[in-house]
Amino acid sequence: DTEVTQTPKHLVMGMTNKKSLKCEQHMGHRAMYWYKQKAKKPPELMFVYSYEKLSINESVPSRFSPECPNSSLLNLHLHALQPEDSALYLCASSRDLTLLFFGSGTQLSVL
Amino acid sequence: AQSVTQLDSHVSVSEGTPVLLRCNYSSSYSPSLFWYVQHPNKGLQLLLKYTSAATLVKGINGFEAEFKKSETSFHLTKPSAHMSDAAEYFCVVSGGFGGYQKVTFGTGTKLQVIP
Repeated sequence: DTEVTQTPKHLVMGMTNKKSLKCEQHMGHRAMYWYKQKAKKPPELMFVYSYEKLSINESVPSRFSPECPNSSLLNLHLHALQPEDSALYLCASSRDLTLLFFGSGTQLSVL
Repeated sequence: AQSVTQLDSHVSVSEGTPVLLRCNYSSSYSPSLFWYVQHPNKGLQLLLKYTSAATLVKGINGFEAEFKKSETSFHLTKPSAHMSDAAEYFCVVSGGFGGYQKVTFGTGTKLQVIP
């Protein structure tokens, strides 16, 4: 199994909603990542978990809250988002912090 | 310090002709280099990677890249473009030491394939 699975694939939410993005990998990778990608731009790093502990937070607003329940799962909890938060959210995992394996992403629209 | 420069934001080729996507990098470390492809509204798929072994790296779908340290380049090539190659391509450098690795993305090159 060399996949990173993200759900849902698409999400539409209002600015007062609470929703969660989910990511799962069964490759035994030690690190998991959340990236945000706007149209026609490269992915931007949001968070890195290493051995289930948050190791990097790239000054992300608190309306985004990551969680790593175990070594295979990574969640991103969303609350009170703004329309400018609409983007493709990508999860990735890595065995050695070097080579990243990406999921197919969640396309998020905030109305 | 580490950076990646993709020299062309947009490349257009005819189907069946060669593809060249250019990437230059700088790194204070001995870097690992990657090319990823992204089709519209999809995640990033790894095409190939260089991690200090052979300098000519072969990837999936007929792509290859050559690591040239003297030129700090890692250009992506394919002998004959196919319509399905139309996508966004990202050059990525990873470097660091100990338990820290920084991953830096280039700004991307959009490849258009003309029938």
